[in-house]
Amino acid sequence: ETGVTQTPRHLVMGMTNKKSLKCEQHLGHNAMYWYKQSAKKPLELMFVYSLEERVENNSVPSRFSPECPNSSHLFLHLHTLQPEDSALYLCASSQGDRQTEAFFGQGTRLTVV
Amino acid sequence: GNSVTQMEGPVTLSEEAFLTINCTYTATGYPSLFWYVQYPGEGLQLLLKATKADDKGSNKGFEATYRKETTSFHLEKGSVQVSDSAVYFCALPMYSGGGADGLTFGKGTHLIIQP
Repeated sequence: ETGVTQTPRHLVMGMTNKKSLKCEQHLGHNAMYWYKQSAKKPLELMFVYSLEERVENNSVPSRFSPECPNSSHLFLHLHTLQPEDSALYLCASSQGDRQTEAFFGQGTRLTVV
Repeated sequence: GNSVTQMEGPVTLSEEAFLTINCTYTATGYPSLFWYVQYPGEGLQLLLKATKADDKGSNKGFEATYRKETTSFHLEKGSVQVSDSAVYFCALPMYSGGGADGLTFGKGTHLIIQP
């Protein structure tokens, strides 16, 4: 298994749908992250989980709901999204007790129609 | 929190040209510094890192030196190849203390290498 795996790779959803993004890491890390990458904007940190506890929520709308059931899995639940939420959603993990690099998954390309 | 500024592209070079992508940062203390690369349709891959002042990170012919005097971490490569075409991001931890804070990134520099 590769380090950080995200599914699905591509997702098209209507504004009234509910869907979930999944992330799994096989690196033994204790921190996981969701980032949003939109065209022409810097990467935005959305959520941080350390030891399965949420430690950061950067003013993300409530239509995005994260879940971290254990240190290896991270979900992002989506509901009633807007077209401007279309973006590449990246999951990452790190050894969160020191300032080490983060390892990223390949991302989920989300299109809201 | 910490922040980073990097030159924006696109940067277009011919194969075998010398590459420099500028990155400057604002930080409390001396956090680790990173360069990431993103190929089309992919996530971000760590290219190199430096964990303390005057360290030089290197990988795949790319180098960057942690310069605390100029608060810079410029990316260089002596001879670029077409396969180096990608988007490059400079990054550092959002806060300089320990713990899981996430990274803050520059806007990315799109590098295009022509044969």
